[in-house]
Amino acid sequence: NAGVTQTPKFQVLKTGQSMTLQCAQDMNHEYMSWYRQDPGMGLRLIHYSVGAGITDQGEVPNGYNVSRSTTEDFPLRLLSAAPSQTSVYFCASSPTNAGANVLTFGAGSRLTVL
Amino acid sequence: SQQGEEDPQALSIQEGENATMNCSYKTSINNLQWYRQNSGRGLVHLILIRSNEREKHSGRLRVTLDTSKKSSSLLITASRAADTASYFCATVPLSGNTGKLIFGQGTTLQVKP
Repeated sequence: NAGVTQTPKFQVLKTGQSMTLQCAQDMNHEYMSWYRQDPGMGLRLIHYSVGAGITDQGEVPNGYNVSRSTTEDFPLRLLSAAPSQTSVYFCASSPTNAGANVLTFGAGSRLTVL
Repeated sequence: SQQGEEDPQALSIQEGENATMNCSYKTSINNLQWYRQNSGRGLVHLILIRSNEREKHSGRLRVTLDTSKKSSSLLITASRAADTASYFCATVPLSGNTGKLIFGQGTTLQVKP
């Protein structure tokens, strides 16, 4: 099993550009989430989804959009990138909601916004 | 704001010594989890302890939970160089939406051979 796959691994954007970070899991997990990791800040939850067609906001949702059209995929969209969005992004999934299960993480996507 | 605060932020020990990391949190929880992150990699789950449990073991790992003090500790016994990593606690709040797993800032552990 591939687990949680994130693409791209690295990306450089200019301020104002848009892009989508892809996340796919092949474990039939209902719960998926996106975190960003910044030095000294730990991981902060951006958005999460408890199933196809259902999404909700985490701690730091501003500037990001998500959708969940299938169980497998949970893309994170930056509509107009800002330097403050320079970070490492992690996608994670679990069989049901995060309260009852542990998370399986992807390898991360490092984004730099100039 | 972060739910978990970890202490110390950094820890350096010799191989064979024990390493203890602490986590404090603010609100009542459903469970608390510990994760490890090797440099440049994603996080890997280590252990989960529920709010009605006080201690759990997994190999060289021992986790304690004191809900009255809203704190947890992770003990790694007989540490190895391969244990060098960052360690994070994460909590699931008892109230509200259980879809949120909130992470602390992490402890960076260096084990010197």
